[in-house]
Amino acid sequence: GESVGLHLPTLSVQEGDNSIINCAYSNSASDYFIWYKQESGKGPQFIIDIRSNMDKRQGQRVTVLLNKTVKHLSLQIAATQPGDSAVYFCAENDRNRDDKIIFGKGTRLHILP
Amino acid sequence: EAQVTQNPRYLITVTGKKLTVTCSQNMNHEYMSWYRQDPGLGLRQIYYSMNVEVTDKGDVPEGYKVSRKEKRNFPLILESPSPNQTSLYFCASSLSRLPGRGAFFGQGTRLTVV
Repeated sequence: GESVGLHLPTLSVQEGDNSIINCAYSNSASDYFIWYKQESGKGPQFIIDIRSNMDKRQGQRVTVLLNKTVKHLSLQIAATQPGDSAVYFCAENDRNRDDKIIFGKGTRLHILP
Repeated sequence: EAQVTQNPRYLITVTGKKLTVTCSQNMNHEYMSWYRQDPGLGLRQIYYSMNVEVTDKGDVPEGYKVSRKEKRNFPLILESPSPNQTSLYFCASSLSRLPGRGAFFGQGTRLTVV
């Protein structure tokens, strides 16, 4: 079946550098995407979302880019801080199934001092 | 403070012994759902509820029951737990069907069935 996946299970980034976490999806009917952050021992926390009518959306220190041509989603974190250490995962929603979200498996972001 | 509260946080039980994991939200959200999180599989939806007395199966409902008698509470019931239900469980609430902007997840309940 169609699924959301991630390129890298672990990403190590120097503190202060920018982080880029990638996500690929295969369902061409997906029209809403969400990025979550999950810190150790906590539940997922919404970071940012984007609809398929947009290519880019910015939040505070985070930017999500959507490339519908290659079905690729990325989360960019500017000036990575120790508090950014967590597992990040993307999720997609099929426009034909507005009650269904498919979650990716996650990428662990490790901040190097 | 807006929050979703799950209890207990940790539970070890034996096969076949009925258990209930409670979930409560204080945001007056209509939509609540339960997920399980397993290594290598990501979050999978068990059940969801769009309002009081309305519940629907998610992707992995087998072996679980839920109820929604009040808007704020959405307990997850395992009538006869089995070892394959050992997992990390999350309850979530949101204003809409999608757990996107404005959605809140609980802290999780780590269940071990022996």
